[in-house]
Parts: sequence; structure tokens; C-alpha cells
Amino acid sequence: SQTIHQWPATLVQPVGSPLSLECTVEGTSNPNLYWYRQAAGRGLQLLFYSVGIGQISSEVPQNLSASRPQDRQFILSSKKLLLSDSGFYLCAWSKKGAFRSGNQPQHFGDGTRLSIL
Amino acid sequence: AQSVTQLDSHVSVSEGTPVLLRCNYSSSYSPSLFWYVQHPNKGLQLLLKYTSAATLVKGINGFEAEFKKSETSFHLTKPSAHMSDAAEYFCVVSAPYFSGGYNKLIFGAGTRLAVHP
Repeated sequence: SQTIHQWPATLVQPVGSPLSLECTVEGTSNPNLYWYRQAAGRGLQLLFYSVGIGQISSEVPQNLSASRPQDRQFILSSKKLLLSDSGFYLCAWSKKGAFRSGNQPQHFGDGTRLSIL
Repeated sequence: AQSVTQLDSHVSVSEGTPVLLRCNYSSSYSPSLFWYVQHPNKGLQLLLKYTSAATLVKGINGFEAEFKKSETSFHLTKPSAHMSDAAEYFCVVSAPYFSGGYNKLIFGAGTRLAVHP
């Protein structure tokens, strides 16, 4: 069966410090990968998605970047964190669906709670 | 375009009584619909999915949902609530993809379910 791992679970960082959050998926190959942010009292916001190694698409311009160095590894980074980067970050994966099909659910990791001081 | 509306931001029930979480959707295409559950400080877990097969969908933990095209609804139900059901629930509609290689998920705002002894 497939599993998704995210770490760390919680992180407290000062403003201006760098960030690296990592996500790995096991038990599947060539998945689509996603990074979401969930701010307190707000819904999920898709930040980045990737359909293959080295292929990153950004949904929202921001202070963050993403990379996919290996098929099942997805990394979220920042060079200098802002207070507004605080939130709950979720990584997810899905199988690739058929063209013009929307039937693939996404499967989420347990998230990273990021607090910026 | 696709959109989803969860009609109640909070629902409170007593343990052992039925649960009803309401969701209406709008979709330009034949939709795929999902329900996810999120416990505090955890990721989202897929409860069930509708992908144009049977209109009554059974999921995990005794939950089920009925797709009603005429009412554009996909309400989530459970015959008897358990204390462990207390969580936030998200109704999600999926947009079929025509480019980009992935199908985008559109999340509802969430319904917080409280279960009282």
C-alpha cells in the first residue's frame, strides 16, 4: 500500500531564516505531488504541484519555492521566512488520471505546523 | 467552472444520533466528488469518493453519501455518531484536466462536527 511521510511535524523558525520541508511517498511510482497551506480558520490553498521530476508549477506567487529532485520526493523551501508564512503545510500525492477525467483523489500527509517568530 | 458549498460551518450532535453534513456543488462537467475528514493537527483523510458509478457511495467508518444530480447535492451521513467522529469535514469537487496533467481539487470551507456524550 502507499504511504506518505512529511517531516518535521512541528517547526518554530525566526523571521528571515530559511526553510526546508520534505515529503516522500512510498508504494507508488510517477505520482502527482502537491503542497498546500492551511491557515488558521481558512481553507486549503494549493501552493505547488508537480507531475514529474523537475516539473514544478506554482499556483500562487509567494515567498516559497518547491523542488522535486526524485520521483517520490517533494521539497518546500524558502530563503527568508516571513511572518505570513506561518500555517499548516500539507503534502499530498495522487495517481495520474485519464485525460479529461477528474476522478483521482489526493492523499495527504500528516502535515507540518510552522510557526514564525 | 466548479465550486462547492458546505451549508453548515458547525454541526453538533449527541453520541448515537444520526449525522448529516450538507454539501452542494456546481460543475460544468460530470463531477467527481469526495469527502475528507481532518482531525486536529492531522492531515486530510479520504472518507469516500463518487466518480460516476453508483450514486450511493459507502465510505470508511460507517459514513456514506448520496449523489443527487437534480439537487446538485452530495450530503454525508452516518446513522449513529461516535465520539471519535468529532473533526472537520471537507466536501471536495474535482475539475477534469485538459492540460497540466492533474485534476484540481476545489475544497469546501469545511464543517466542524462536534459530538456530545
